[in-house]
Amino acid sequence: GAVVSQHPSRVICKSGTSVKIECRSLDFQATTMFWYRQFPKKSLMLMATSNEGSKATYEQGVEKDKFLINHASLTLSTLTVTSAHPEDSSFYICSARDLPRNTGELFFGEGSRLTVL
Amino acid sequence: AQRVTQPEKLLSVFKGAPVELKCNYSYSGSPELFWYVQYSRQRLQLLLRHISRESIKGFTADLNKGETSFHLKKPFAQEEDSAMYYCALGNSGGSNYKLTFGKGTLLTVNP
Repeated sequence: GAVVSQHPSRVICKSGTSVKIECRSLDFQATTMFWYRQFPKKSLMLMATSNEGSKATYEQGVEKDKFLINHASLTLSTLTVTSAHPEDSSFYICSARDLPRNTGELFFGEGSRLTVL
Repeated sequence: AQRVTQPEKLLSVFKGAPVELKCNYSYSGSPELFWYVQYSRQRLQLLLRHISRESIKGFTADLNKGETSFHLKKPFAQEEDSAMYYCALGNSGGSNYKLTFGKGTLLTVNP
């Protein structure tokens, strides 16, 4: 199957700093990638849909100025958590669809655990 | 709006027992239903999808549009089935595709 890779897998930062998380599709081109946030013992919450070459579509309640998404190429989307605060600590997961080869399945990255001190 | 409900947060069974993980959905259009699984320390991965009507690792799930359900079943659970299971609903939205997850059910299969 298709492979999606995230980097870094873990990051610790000080409150007020910004953190960038990368999501790459390794063996396919992804015009659309999805960013999820996973809370402890809770579901995955869709944050935004990242579209190559255009603005991301954010879900209701997600601050687009707080969570900047850039999808500059067909294999890379980035999520930048700006001016991070402890409440932003979470597990962030990206995913993508390999549309030419399958119908609907999402391939997930390994996730990035952000800890804001 | 699309919504997925998994009523059980935790489910514990003994090895060899049947297991059923419940999933109900709410969606006005034509739904695409999936089950994703996350084993310990691994990434989320697709288990099965309703359009395939296949059995994966002994698991099956039938879409019941009348009851708006997509329950996951396995007749004889194995210890290696212990994992977090998420039911998910796709909206067939083309360029506006969205996959909504339920809260997940943690399945524990005891020896």
